Parts: sequence; C-alpha cells; structure tokens
Amino acid sequence: AQSVTQLDSQVPVFEEAPVELRCNYSSSVSVYLFWYVQYPNQGLQLLLKYLSGSTLVKGINGFEAEFNKSQTSFHLRKPSVHISDTAEYFCAVTEINTDKLIFGTGTRLQVFP
Amino acid sequence: KAGVTQTPRYLIKTRGQQVTLSCSPISGHRSVSWYQQTPGQGLQFLFEYFSETQRNKGNFPGRFSGRQFSNSRSEMNVSTLELGDSALYLCASSLATGGPFTDTQYFGPGTRLTVL
Repeated sequence: AQSVTQLDSQVPVFEEAPVELRCNYSSSVSVYLFWYVQYPNQGLQLLLKYLSGSTLVKGINGFEAEFNKSQTSFHLRKPSVHISDTAEYFCAVTEINTDKLIFGTGTRLQVFP
Repeated sequence: KAGVTQTPRYLIKTRGQQVTLSCSPISGHRSVSWYQQTPGQGLQFLFEYFSETQRNKGNFPGRFSGRQFSNSRSEMNVSTLELGDSALYLCASSLATGGPFTDTQYFGPGTRLTVL
C-alpha cells in the first residue's frame, strides 16, 4: 500500500539560507508526486508535481523537487528562503490509475530573520 | 477568475446533529474533491465528484456523503456528528479530465467544523 513519510515535522532556517524538506514514499507501482503549501488559515496551494518526464521539477515561488525512483524520494528544495515561505508543506502521492491521494504529515518551515 | 469558495467558513454543531458544507468550484472546473484535515490524522482524501458522479472515494464511513450539481457546485454532508469529526474541511476543484489528480487542484479556504 502506498504511504508517504515526511521525516521532519519542523524545519527552522534563517532567511536567505537554502532549505530541503524531505519526502519518502512507499509504493510498488508507478506514482504521481506532489508538494503543497498551506499558509496560516488558508487552503492548500500546489507548489509542483511530478507526473512523468524529467525528474527535476520546478515549481512556483522558486521551489524545485527531484524525483529519485531508486531512493523512493521526492525532496523539496529552495536555494534561498524568504520570511514569506513560512508555512506548512505537504508531500502527497497517488499510485497511477488508483483513486487514492495520500498526504504526508506535513513539515512546518519556519524562516527567521 | 474567481477562486474556489466554501461556505460557511466556520460552523459549530453538537454530537448527533448533521451538517452540510458547500463548495463552489472555479468556473469551468468539473471535478470537486473533498479533504478532511485534523491535527491527529492530518490531511485525508474524502471523495471526488466529476460531472455529478462520485468518481473516487477515500476510507471514510458512510456518514460522510456528498453530491455534485449540474453547475459543478458540490455539497458534503456528515450525519450523526461525532467529536472526532471536528476538522477543517477543504474542497478543491480542477479540470481533471484525465483523472482526479493529474490536473492542478485549486483549494478553497476551508470550512472549520467544531463538534461539541
């Protein structure tokens, strides 16, 4: 069965520093992978998604993620964070041709000045 | 283009009551998905409707149901409310012509349901 693990519940970082939010998944078949961001008191917003093709996916707000099939990972990165990036980030996976979208437990990114 | 709207934004109910939440998708979007977000269980997929038909369903009891109207607006109903149903309920819309998750989903701000 598919599952998603976000190893870090909280990631504190200083402004302009690089950041990586980790996501690992478990599945025996091909998957689609997603990263969402949730700002306080708001719904989710899609940052980026991997469906097929290039394993390096670029998203909005300067974020990118790399799909690594052998490591079953889809880590999110940003070379230089801003205060406004403070939010909760969710990794999600769905197995192709299934009807389930599974979310990780989220990583709280806190950017300090 | 107007975003996804959800009404009401906040709701307080007591155990045993039922509740109906509403979601208006982005114009032209025919898919509406519902999610439950709680501190304990995180984000969980409830179900997805496309062209007035439930196309996909998560692992929730039958107390949770939904429907979609011809204008793509969707409602979610929870009967016999339990304390554990207290959550933020999010809906998302997308074109989703190729499946529920391949097209970008646009989320509404959510309805915060509190069950006392």
